[in-house]
Amino acid sequence: SQQGEEDPQALSIQEGENATMNCSYKTSINNLQWYRQNSGRGLVHLILIRSNEREKHSGRLRVTLDTSKKSSSLLITASRAADTASYFCASVGGNKLVFGAGTILRVKS
Amino acid sequence: EAGVVQSPRYKIIEKKQPVAFWCNPISGHNTLYWYLQNLGQGPELLIRYENEEAVDDSQLPKDRFSAERLKGVDSTLKIQPAELGDSAVYLCASSTPPSGELFFGEGSRLTVL
Repeated sequence: SQQGEEDPQALSIQEGENATMNCSYKTSINNLQWYRQNSGRGLVHLILIRSNEREKHSGRLRVTLDTSKKSSSLLITASRAADTASYFCASVGGNKLVFGAGTILRVKS
Repeated sequence: EAGVVQSPRYKIIEKKQPVAFWCNPISGHNTLYWYLQNLGQGPELLIRYENEEAVDDSQLPKDRFSAERLKGVDSTLKIQPAELGDSAVYLCASSTPPSGELFFGEGSRLTVL
């Protein structure tokens, strides 16, 4: 499969806790993106981090990128029940965008 | 501003029947993508267009799948004949520039019986 890998496959936490998802990719990249998908819906872009950046913040989201390890992590702080969704990383090399298999996050209220 | 529009949202067909999906991208987005998403998996690229040119169709099963993007705006993805294994969600996305964020439609869920 050309897909990247994400772990964990599934994560269940209590509201207010932090959630961390990890992503590994296979080739050199221009940028890495994170998307969210609610059940039965399309994907929604969350954040983009360029290959020369190491960390980026957007609201309750924090993304890190380690190009030497070909890995990225997404941290959602102070999670809410509405954050329940699947989260996908997408590595972009050239004009090729490859999605990971995703992490299913469940936030219990 | 209208988002990416896909139709139909759901389609149920018998195997060996043809099916077509339509996508209208966000106005001004030159890059259009068709993705296949199986249950519990991430989207996998079928074809990418730059304007009306298919610039990456390496993952499109050309024996039964075809796509077109006439006039570089909306696009149609066709499967003929459909097989049981084609049951999946077909997602359309658009972007500008090509390596920027993608905007997705709600998807077309295909069930082949």
